Amino acid sequence: KAGVTQTPRYLIKTRGQQVTLSCSPISGHRSVSWYQQTPGQGLQFLFEYFSETQRNKGNFPGRFSGRQFSNSRSEMNVSTLELGDSALYLCASSLAVVGETMVSIPPIYNEQFFGPGTRLTVL
Amino acid sequence: AQSVAQPEDQVNVAEGNPLTVKCTYSVSGNPYLFWYVQYPNRGLQFLLKYITGDNLVKGSYGFEAEFNKSQTSFHLKKPSALVSDSALYFCAVRMISGNTPLVFGKGTRLSVIA
Repeated sequence: KAGVTQTPRYLIKTRGQQVTLSCSPISGHRSVSWYQQTPGQGLQFLFEYFSETQRNKGNFPGRFSGRQFSNSRSEMNVSTLELGDSALYLCASSLAVVGETMVSIPPIYNEQFFGPGTRLTVL
Repeated sequence: AQSVAQPEDQVNVAEGNPLTVKCTYSVSGNPYLFWYVQYPNRGLQFLLKYITGDNLVKGSYGFEAEFNKSQTSFHLKKPSALVSDSALYFCAVRMISGNTPLVFGKGTRLSVIA
């Protein structure tokens, strides 16, 4: 089974531009989460989507947005880029989210599988 | 709110020696606890998790972790370190009930010296 894929792997942008990152989850996974990883702040949660609905949102400004499509693929967008947005953006997929009740899968099956990340550099 | 602390930014250990990477957590209910490892230029790889049951959890690559509810800790251990274990290790917590995201610690860099 193919893992989580993220495109592009590397991206260089300048301040003020906007960027869109893409994530394709493992086949059958309906939950996608996004994280920002920086050396100083570690891994910070951005959003979590399940069945095209945003279930959770981290403490990031409105310049950061996301969405999920009917095939569970997800995109995140950052507008008006700032130097501090330079980071590794990680996407993770899982079968379900905590609290989700599924007939055949217990709600605890929210183990997340991570993609390789997109390295964004803002100049 | 939930939080995770990894008190050591860096842990150095000699190959063949036991290793411990520390993690303490804070949640208002019962936790799910996870350990992930990140190799250079790679995403995070799942190592092990504690959901319920036995406090000693065994995971991938010979790693194990012990859940200690009274000390709110979930330290990662391995009896004999390998040079290939050198990587960045993340502890994470999520509440069992409610709709809350996974919260990560800042990571601990493990260096195993030959």
